[in-house]
Amino acid sequence: DADVTQTPRNRITKTGKRIMLECSQTKGHDRMYWYRQDPGLGLRLIYYSFDVKDINKGEISDGYSVSRQAQAKFSLSLESAIPNQTALYFCATSDHRGPGDTQYFGPGTRLTVL
Amino acid sequence: DAKTTQPNSMESNEEEPVHLPCNHSTISGTDYIHWYRQLPSQGPEYVIHGLTSNVNNRMASLAIAEDRKSSTLILHRATLRDAAVYYCILPVYNQGGKLIFGQGTELSVKP
Repeated sequence: DADVTQTPRNRITKTGKRIMLECSQTKGHDRMYWYRQDPGLGLRLIYYSFDVKDINKGEISDGYSVSRQAQAKFSLSLESAIPNQTALYFCATSDHRGPGDTQYFGPGTRLTVL
Repeated sequence: DAKTTQPNSMESNEEEPVHLPCNHSTISGTDYIHWYRQLPSQGPEYVIHGLTSNVNNRMASLAIAEDRKSSTLILHRATLRDAAVYYCILPVYNQGGKLIFGQGTELSVKP
């Protein structure tokens, strides 16, 4: 089984709808991240969490919110989706052993907002 | 945040070595150099990282210049499965270990 899973894998929604993307991990890591990727570009950080109930904004948090109610789960919500939020969304985890720690990514959720 | 510069694309032949360069002239003394890659339709995956010394693992080698202003990821024998976008990254540790992904180098491997 994959260590970092994301649901759904694909989602098409309409402008103005609320949508939630889920991320679960079995790696036992404390830190979790949400990134988005636009075509032809690298990933940009939306939010990150160091531990349960800890939430920190990334570089592009406007229009998004997150929830970390359990160590293994980190949810990303779009309260009122808009077309320019159409992108590929990735969740990642790390165990923060120090400056050399690495991140482990999920398979991604492809979101289309019509 | 320190910036990295990579060529947009490179080509290689299968079973030949590949050297992927990265410039990071504004690197600070405590910045680690990380490499990730993203295969088509997949999430990024960690490849290797280092601080000052050259590093080897089962996937690749990382050669770091003495002044640390550049590094090279070395794939010793490229396979078709190594075709991916390779990102050279300096994680931002005062922002939760944020990874700043540039455009990376798209590596194509010819049979």
